[in-house]
Amino acid sequence: DVKVTQSSRYLVKRTGEKVFLECVQDMDHENMFWYRQDPGLGLRLIYFSYDVKMKEKGDIPEGYSVSREKKERFSLILESASTNQTSMYLCASSLWASGRYEQYFGPGTRLTVT
Amino acid sequence: AQTVTQSQPEMSVQEAETVTLSCTYDTSESDYYLFWYKQPPSRQMILVIRQEAYKQQNATENRFSVNFQKAAKSFSLKISDSQLGDAAMYFCAYRRGETSGSRLTFGEGTQLTVNP
Repeated sequence: DVKVTQSSRYLVKRTGEKVFLECVQDMDHENMFWYRQDPGLGLRLIYFSYDVKMKEKGDIPEGYSVSREKKERFSLILESASTNQTSMYLCASSLWASGRYEQYFGPGTRLTVT
Repeated sequence: AQTVTQSQPEMSVQEAETVTLSCTYDTSESDYYLFWYKQPPSRQMILVIRQEAYKQQNATENRFSVNFQKAAKSFSLKISDSQLGDAAMYFCAYRRGETSGSRLTFGEGTQLTVNP
């Protein structure tokens, strides 16, 4: 079974702090994704990566950056956390150009910025 | 840009009954995939069912089936013999055809309650 893990289930940070959310997958997937989930808005793509050191902006990249130094790890960085970044963050991974293209998700990190 | 719309924020069903969740999408592509994901209270997103746009036959997975109407750009999910474990948030999602790394676009979600 594919396993996608996220470093924290719950996280509380203060405004202005630098926040790191870590995601690790164990199935040698090329693609990795960071989503933000908010009520009534579904999941929105923040950033994705299709290879090590490669990244592309999603629909809502402002205020976020990412890092992918190793294939299995994809980090989401909030350079200076703000209260409007309080949300659920979901990481996902998938095979490169897989015809069936199932994305496998981590359990999510609920981030609260106070 | 592709959009996915789920017009039912909440739905409820009695145990053992059938419920249908609606999803519409907008795209100019001819080659794409559609998905239904389930997110139970544990928050773990699970793929329920997928449909390839080039296939006319509706996908089925046990008690879950879809009604794919390509011309109408509609993709509804039918859950038969509903069980308490079906209670979850359900997301409809769209992905363009065979393009490496291409993203999923999600709808807003439908919260399904199953009443005993």
